[in-house]
Amino acid sequence: TQLLEQSPQFLSIQEGENLTVYCNSSSVFSSLQWYRQEPGEGPVLLVTVVTGGEVKKLKRLTFQFGDARKDSSLHITAAQPGDTGLYLCAGAIQGAQKLVFGQGTRLTINP
Amino acid sequence: GAVVSQHPSWVICKSGTSVKIECRSLDFQATTMFWYRQFPKQSLMLMATSNEGSKATYEQGVEKDKFLINHASLTLSTLTVTSAHPEDSSFYICSARDPRTTINYEQYFGPGTRLTVT
Repeated sequence: TQLLEQSPQFLSIQEGENLTVYCNSSSVFSSLQWYRQEPGEGPVLLVTVVTGGEVKKLKRLTFQFGDARKDSSLHITAAQPGDTGLYLCAGAIQGAQKLVFGQGTRLTINP
Repeated sequence: GAVVSQHPSWVICKSGTSVKIECRSLDFQATTMFWYRQFPKQSLMLMATSNEGSKATYEQGVEKDKFLINHASLTLSTLTVTSAHPEDSSFYICSARDPRTTINYEQYFGPGTRLTVT
C-alpha cells in the first residue's frame, strides 16, 4: 500500500521557471524528509519538517509541512540545471522505524 | 557527520554465485540500518530493517533466505545475495539512522551498489 502520493512523477521545465512538488497522504506523520538523488548515487537528505505548518527554506528551495502533518510541498524558485535530479519525500510514522517513501519526482531543468 | 559508505560500488557476478555488499557508518554508531532496492527510474523499495545484534525484519515478499542480512556491529551491516540470478540485478542502497538525530527518523544513505548478474 502506497501511503505517500507524490506528484508530479516527471517534470521538465526551462531554467528560471518555478515549480512545486507535492506529497500527500491520509496518514499522519511525526516527521517528513525530503531527499534528492542523482543517477548512480544514494539519496541525500535535504530537510526534515516536524511541526504542522512548518516552513523551511534552503536557498531557492522552500519546504512546507501541512497543518495536519499529512502532506508536504517542495517549491523551487528560478530553477537551475543543477537542480536536476530525483526528489523523494519520505514520512516517518510514530513508533515505526522505517520511512514511507513517495514514488519520486524526476525533475529535469533545461538550460 | 552522518556518513555512510558502501562496498563495492559495483559488482558483476555469474548466475548461481553469491555476492556480499557491505554498509558502514563512518562517523557514528548505527543501531538500525536499512536495505533498499531501486529499479531504474523508480523510488526506493525497502527490503529489510537491520538491528544490531538481532535478526533482520524483512518486508513482505522479500525472501530472507535469498537476501541474508547480518548486522554484527554498530558500524557494519552486510547484505548477501545468495544464488544470484539475472533478475536480482539492481541498485542496492543501504541507509542508517544516526542516534544523534533519531528523534526525527532521518536516514543517511550510502552511495549504492550496482549489481549485475550475468
